[in-house]
Amino acid sequence: QSVLTQPPSVSAAPRQKVTISCSGSSSNIGNNYVSWYQQLPGTAPTLLIYDNDKRPSGMSDRFSGSKSGTSATLAITGLQTGDEAVYYCGSWDSSLSAAVFGGGTQLTVL
Amino acid sequence: QLQLQVSGPGLLKPSETLSLTCAVSGGSIISSDYYWGWVRQPPGKGLEWIGTLYYSGSTYYNPSLKSRLTISVDTSRNQFSLKLSSVTAVDTATYYCARHIKFWYFDLWGQGTLVTVSS
Repeated sequence: QSVLTQPPSVSAAPRQKVTISCSGSSSNIGNNYVSWYQQLPGTAPTLLIYDNDKRPSGMSDRFSGSKSGTSATLAITGLQTGDEAVYYCGSWDSSLSAAVFGGGTQLTVL
Repeated sequence: QLQLQVSGPGLLKPSETLSLTCAVSGGSIISSDYYWGWVRQPPGKGLEWIGTLYYSGSTYYNPSLKSRLTISVDTSRNQFSLKLSSVTAVDTATYYCARHIKFWYFDLWGQGTLVTVSS
């Protein structure tokens, strides 16, 4: 049971846009930054978004993040088959004093 | 370019102590800007934060693992280590080390190592 809640799966066609939600509470997303990670099959996670909406240097601008209240959203535009992966949201939980993650969302590009 | 490399035994028996080391190359572990963390992922499941430390030795542990956990740093070897005692099958996972930025996010990850606990 993850502290942050994500849909188990989403799907969309190539070149389309998809959004992945991440729901939390005031002890995590509501008052702390959100990050997003992409995990391709058999590899370590890589950072996509940090501080709610910032992209690491070199990260494609097809990936964007936003936050509102106790929820966050990752948007991916211009979907490519190479985007098929599991996406995780993360934050710090001030009540637990722990870094927390969502359960992950499997993206399928149809 | 900074890289992290995890090493350690891949197979343990129940009740043994899991010991892993993360070697940092291409940069110093001594930095006021960075923390260093461990994250694990059971097969087919999601990510779980284990703990984080600062080069000075300050440590921050997941409360659910705290009683069994020790994370330490060796600045002379530019590496940090994880010890998890009394392991059981539920500790079977891929263990990653990562650079932890101000507890907000993990920006660089090691390749991970699968640790299996089985009798």
